[in-house]
Amino acid sequence: SAVISQKPSRDICQRGTSLTIQCQVDSQVTMMFWYRQQPGQSLTLIATANQGSEATYESGFVIDKFPISRPNLTFSTLTVSNMSPEDSSIYLCSVEVGLTSYNEQFFGPGTRLTVL
Amino acid sequence: AQSVAQPEDQVKVAEGNPLTVKCTYSVSGNPYLFWYVQYPNRGLQFLLKYITGDNLVKGSYGFEAEFNKSQTSFHLKKPSALVSDSALYFCAVRDREYGNNRLAFGKGNQVVVIP
Repeated sequence: SAVISQKPSRDICQRGTSLTIQCQVDSQVTMMFWYRQQPGQSLTLIATANQGSEATYESGFVIDKFPISRPNLTFSTLTVSNMSPEDSSIYLCSVEVGLTSYNEQFFGPGTRLTVL
Repeated sequence: AQSVAQPEDQVKVAEGNPLTVKCTYSVSGNPYLFWYVQYPNRGLQFLLKYITGDNLVKGSYGFEAEFNKSQTSFHLKKPSALVSDSALYFCAVRDREYGNNRLAFGKGNQVVVIP
């Protein structure tokens, strides 16, 4: 398993500003992911954070809006840029421990973002 | 493509009664299947998974799930629900194709256990 922390736990931001969310894992992991959970909806994968290379974004998400860093195997950041009220969501970091595709993902506690 | 359907929005049961949360999936190949639970203001917690072998999988907190390939289902069950089981439950699937690390989540089911 893995213990994941996220900062901040919540924030209220003004339209047009940017927020960087940090994800820290207590052990080295190969796979790190960023999800968005909009109010009353399911989880949507934003991107896979790749160590040492550019993140792999899912359809509908772009690097200019959601830049991601992954400087090492235990840490990643997600920035929500030029925010609008539609970006109000819970943002979740997750990791997989191990290299097989049947490993479960472990999730951080989430960052609750409200954009005014 | 991979997807999950959780047809019910809310599941309401009385404490002590059996609890079932339904999940059906769609994959092009064979699936890996997962259940997660989300308590209020907390992240998702892993409950159980199906990889291969025995169709009945046992997990945390007394939950189990049954894989049914012919019905493409993976329903979550608990013989006797507790009030503390009230939470949001997500089913997820991953196609077993090589290099696929993406999980597809269902929309979630709100479980309400009435004292």
